Amino acid sequence: DADVTQTPRNRITKTGKRIMLECSQTKGHDRMYWYRQDPGLGLRLIYYSFDVKDINKGEISDGYSVSRQAQAKFSLSLESAIPNQTALYFCATSDIGQGELANTGELFFGEGSRLTVL
Amino acid sequence: SQQGEEDPQALSIQEGENATMNCSYKTSINNLQWYRQNSGRGLVHLILIRSNEREKHSGRLRVTLDTSKKSSSLLITASRAADTASYFCATRDKGTYKYIFGTGTRLKVLA
Repeated sequence: DADVTQTPRNRITKTGKRIMLECSQTKGHDRMYWYRQDPGLGLRLIYYSFDVKDINKGEISDGYSVSRQAQAKFSLSLESAIPNQTALYFCATSDIGQGELANTGELFFGEGSRLTVL
Repeated sequence: SQQGEEDPQALSIQEGENATMNCSYKTSINNLQWYRQNSGRGLVHLILIRSNEREKHSGRLRVTLDTSKKSSSLLITASRAADTASYFCATRDKGTYKYIFGTGTRLKVLA
């Protein structure tokens, strides 16, 4: 099984619908992230969470909300989807690290959720 | 705006040649990382270089970091068709410890 699992992998929806993308991880990491990828724009950070009680906005949080239900689960919601939210969404995790490795850990990505808003 | 900007945006080379990609960034960083993404898949970590390091090697990968110029390069030696992918740099922002990604270089290795 994948360490970082995203569901659904593909979703087509209509403008105005509420959508939830879910992410679960088995790596035991405290830090989780949601990124959006658009062609030519790379990855942009939507929200991140450093532990269950810590939620922070990223570069492009407008129109999105998140919920950190447990250490292993981090969900991204689009309350009222619009066509320009059509994109590939990635969840990622990282470890805190200790000593010299503190705050230097790599990101582990899920396989992505492709969302199309018509 | 993106923290990192990769150059070139796209690169096409023959198998066996070396591929060099560059990344520029804007702020003080904790470390810089390179990731690879096969088409439509999740990103996979390749190599990390800390802000106090200048060069690092891993297999066919060589990364350099110049903090005075706020730039990094990734060299893939003896490229293979399987190296065809997009490559992204990511910087770990010193103030917030967020990861910020560049726009990526699409590498195509022709067999």
